[in-house]
Amino acid sequence: QSVLTQPPSVSAAPGQKVTISCSGRSSNIGTNYVSWYRQLPRTAPKLLIYDNNKRPSGIPDRFSGSKSDTSATLGITGLQTGDEADYYCATWDSSLSAVVFGGGTKLTVL
Amino acid sequence: EVQLVESGGGLVQPGRSLRLSCAASGFTFVDYAMHWVRQAPGKGLEWVSGISWNGGSILYADSVKGRFTISRDNAKNSLYLQMNSLRAEDMALYYCAKDWARYTSGLQDYWGQGTLVTVSS
Repeated sequence: QSVLTQPPSVSAAPGQKVTISCSGRSSNIGTNYVSWYRQLPRTAPKLLIYDNNKRPSGIPDRFSGSKSDTSATLGITGLQTGDEADYYCATWDSSLSAVVFGGGTKLTVL
Repeated sequence: EVQLVESGGGLVQPGRSLRLSCAASGFTFVDYAMHWVRQAPGKGLEWVSGISWNGGSILYADSVKGRFTISRDNAKNSLYLQMNSLRAEDMALYYCAKDWARYTSGLQDYWGQGTLVTVSS
């Protein structure tokens, strides 16, 4: 049981937009920045979004992040088959003094 | 280019020990906190432990507290994880990850490729 809650899977057609939600509580998302990671099959996670809505260098603006209260959302527009991957949200939990991850969401581009 | 290369994984019997290493390059190792994160087969990411830039602040997940010890050698640009009393549920791919700050936070900006730990008799 992950501290942060994500839908197990989402799907959309190529070219469409998809959003992935991440729900937490006041001690984690409510008071700390959220990061998002993408894990392509059989590869290490890669940072996609940090500080709720910032993109590292090299990440296209098709990827966006937002946060409201104790929830965060990852948005991906112009879906490509290469976007098929597992997506994880993460943040610091001030009560647990630990990094916490969501359970991951598998994105399928139909 | 930031590189994190894990080693030390392998097959170990339940109750035995294993020591993982992570060799870092491409950044000033002493300036950043580091983490170990694991992923059991077919499962999600689970944070294991984090250590501040100077080793003065160390944190563990409850699932490994008292059994695992994280450490670092800034002179060798290396991170370690000593794993004792291993259990079947510790079997996973163990990633070394760099924090963006000197103290552990929720942001790991670079990850290694992982080293596999198999716990089985």
